[in-house]
Amino acid sequence: GENVEQHPSTLSVQEGDSAVIKCTYSDSASNYFPWYKQELGKRPQLIIDIRSNVGEKKDQRIAVTLNKTAKHFSLHITETQPEDSAVYFCAAPVYGQNFVFGPGTRLSVLP
Amino acid sequence: DAEITQSPRHKITETGRQVTLACHQTWNHNNMFWYRQDLGHGLRLIHYSYGVQDTNKGEVSDGYSVSRSNTEDLPLTLESAASSQTSVYFCASSDLAQGQQYFGPGTRLTVT
Repeated sequence: GENVEQHPSTLSVQEGDSAVIKCTYSDSASNYFPWYKQELGKRPQLIIDIRSNVGEKKDQRIAVTLNKTAKHFSLHITETQPEDSAVYFCAAPVYGQNFVFGPGTRLSVLP
Repeated sequence: DAEITQSPRHKITETGRQVTLACHQTWNHNNMFWYRQDLGHGLRLIHYSYGVQDTNKGEVSDGYSVSRSNTEDLPLTLESAASSQTSVYFCASSDLAQGQQYFGPGTRLTVT
């Protein structure tokens, strides 16, 4: 089936540093790319998304960049804080499957 | 406020029993989804619906069924529960087919 690859699977950063998580997809028709954050024991929640008609979108300390030619998109978190510690999931639409989620990245922000 | 709820939140059942997990949303969204979440696999799509009377199979649909008789509800049925179906199940809904999904709080199902 269609895969969405996500790297790294775990990421530890010092508080105040930046974190980058990358996802790759294979369906060239995909045009909507969300990122979800899931805190321990909670439900996933959307933190940012991007549509294929733009290359970058920012929301305060969070940004997403999209490279449609290379079929990858990345989540950037700047000035990380302890409350950013969570599992982050990317997702990409796949024909006949609606969305496929990546396997997740566990981010730990160390004080 | 609009919301999406799931019940029960926790369920223990025996192998071979039929189990139904409820999902109810008050967003008036046409699109609803069921996922299972297991360590190392992220969220995997079980079934989804784009509207009343519409249902579609997802990546891991074997052993599961859904029905959509109204906009608000998409119950998930495990026809004959198996230990491999022990998981956390999330329901979600969205306004756009390719748009933000709002997730329910999840149901932790244990099949013994």
